[in-house]
Amino acid sequence: AQSVTQPDIHITVSEGASLELRCNYSYGATPYLFWYVQSPGQGLQLLLKYFSGDTLVQGIKGFEAEFKRSQSSFNLRKPSVHWSDAAEYFCAVGSNDYKLSFGAGTTVTVRA
Amino acid sequence: KAGVTQTPRYLIKTRGQQVTLSCSPISGHRSVSWYQQTPGQGLQFLFEYFSETQRNKGNFPGRFSGRQFSNSRSEMNVSTLELGDSALYLCASSVDRVQETQYFGPGTRLLVL
Repeated sequence: AQSVTQPDIHITVSEGASLELRCNYSYGATPYLFWYVQSPGQGLQLLLKYFSGDTLVQGIKGFEAEFKRSQSSFNLRKPSVHWSDAAEYFCAVGSNDYKLSFGAGTTVTVRA
Repeated sequence: KAGVTQTPRYLIKTRGQQVTLSCSPISGHRSVSWYQQTPGQGLQFLFEYFSETQRNKGNFPGRFSGRQFSNSRSEMNVSTLELGDSALYLCASSVDRVQETQYFGPGTRLLVL
């Protein structure tokens, strides 16, 4: 069975600083990997996804993620954080049985 | 193109009652999935439907059920509500294949008293 680990429950970052959120997955086959963001009281918005090909994936809002098969990781990065990036971020792995398995999420706080 | 819509957005019920939540997928999407989100358990998969057929089900008791209609709209039902069923219920739709992105609705927040 697939699983996702997000080691950091909460990260605080200064506005303008860089951000990196960690994600490790466990899945026997080629993973389909996603990063979603959730603002308070809202649903999930897709930031980016990886299915195959180039291991560096560009997403919306200036985010990017790098797939590293050897480390079973799919870390999310942003070079310069804006106050509007404060939210909860979820990494997910999709499987051949039509479901997404999510990590526990990382809450990002942005300080001025 | 309109996004995934869920109704109602908020719901308060008491223990023992039942509830039905509705989800309308993005036009052209035939796969609908449901997830439960709670502070303690996070996001957990409930079930997925395609062309009115349930293709996968998560590890939830039989009190949780769902269905999909011919127009791809989906409903989920929870019978004999328990306090622990209080959660945000999220619906997601996609075109079909596993590799397709799932697009999420805003969710229905259910409070069981």
